[in-house]
Amino acid sequence: GENVEQHPSTLSVQEGDSAVIKCTYSDSASNYFPWYKQELGKGPQLIIDIRSNVGEKKDQRIAVTLNKTAKHFSLHITETQPEDSAVYFCAAEGAGGTSYGKLTFGQGTILTVHP
Amino acid sequence: DAGITQSPRHKVTETGTPVTLRCHQTENHRYMYWYRQDPGHGLRLIHYSYGVKDTDKGEVSDGYSVSRSKTEDFLLTLESATSSQTSVYFCAITAGVGAGSPLHFGNGTRLTVT
Repeated sequence: GENVEQHPSTLSVQEGDSAVIKCTYSDSASNYFPWYKQELGKGPQLIIDIRSNVGEKKDQRIAVTLNKTAKHFSLHITETQPEDSAVYFCAAEGAGGTSYGKLTFGQGTILTVHP
Repeated sequence: DAGITQSPRHKVTETGTPVTLRCHQTENHRYMYWYRQDPGHGLRLIHYSYGVKDTDKGEVSDGYSVSRSKTEDFLLTLESATSSQTSVYFCAITAGVGAGSPLHFGNGTRLTVT
């Protein structure tokens, strides 16, 4: 099945700096890669996603890049703000067999933005 | 938030007792999932459902069972709770799979097994 590795596990930045979180996946057939933000006491919320026919996608201060050849994708947050502090998860959707349509998640990154 | 309600939000139970967690959705989505979240493991799939009375196992299904008798409700049962099942449980729903349909999560149930 799919395996997703996420790094770093914790990330501390100053307000206004950029933050980058990286994920690698194992199933070369995977074709959908969402990112989730989880605030304390709440469920994960989708913040951005990318499909395999696209190399980069932006939404205001966040962007995701995908390198299918290397099987890795990254979340970029620019001009970070204290409210960006949360746990971020990457995921990959399986494309075949018993993994079809199921998301496999990375281990999570705790992002702290210091004012 | 997507129309997902999990109940209870918190529960403490003793080892060996049965526990049922409920997920209720108002979106009429076909697919429903139960995940557990533990430090260092991210979110792991327990069971999922692709329609009424259609369910299947995920990667960490041992010790859990599910039922879906109505589109809107998906129940997760721990037949005999163990301390290793202490976790935060999330329900998720999506309209479709295989085409990158977003997965929406509830706010979780924190379960402590003493």
